[in-house]
Amino acid sequence: DAGVIQSPRHEVTEMGQEVTLRCKPISGHDYLFWYRQTMMRGLELLIYFNNNVPIDDSGMPEDRFSAKMPNASFSTLKIQPSEPRDSAVYFCASSLRQGFKPNTEAFFGQGTRLTVV
Amino acid sequence: AQTVTQSQPEMSVQEAETVTLSCTYDTSESDYYLFWYKQPPSRQMILVIRQEAYKQQNATENRFSVNFQKAAKSFSLKISDSQLGDAAMYFCAYRSGETSGSRLTFGEGTQLTVNP
Repeated sequence: DAGVIQSPRHEVTEMGQEVTLRCKPISGHDYLFWYRQTMMRGLELLIYFNNNVPIDDSGMPEDRFSAKMPNASFSTLKIQPSEPRDSAVYFCASSLRQGFKPNTEAFFGQGTRLTVV
Repeated sequence: AQTVTQSQPEMSVQEAETVTLSCTYDTSESDYYLFWYKQPPSRQMILVIRQEAYKQQNATENRFSVNFQKAAKSFSLKISDSQLGDAAMYFCAYRSGETSGSRLTFGEGTQLTVNP
């Protein structure tokens, strides 16, 4: 398996523009996570999905952020309009449930480094 | 809510020596999983080792081992025979074993430097 695939690897955009980050989870995984990593706040969970349904979006900073998972093999994180303080590395991760318990480890993509100028 | 704390922002070790990274967590649950992830400069998050809370035996993966103290809610990582390639940011993480609790919570990270 190719692992979790994120695109683009790097994104530079101007303040006010819309940004869309993409993620393809590992085939067969039923959990998908979006994290944001900054020096100040470390790794923050933004939202996660189970079987394409958003379960917990309490980490989404504000209404400018939205995430979708239209099918089991694709998810997007959109920021509209973007602001300089959104500059960070955004990670997507996926994991697989086994039986009655969620699986343990999450597998991460290589992240998207977003710079908003 | 569960919290994970890494009290050592930076650590250094001489090549071939042993280093221990600390992690404590707070939870009221009895069923959970703990992890150490490594993030090298490439920024890829790599799983180093995991520990199931119901297991008393400490997990070991080659040169990496943990000291899991459930009562103290402590989960330290020991790296033996340190190598230059071990230099990275290390994150401790917690995940609930409860059916409804699937979020993965991370500590602040420890930057490990390996000196030749």
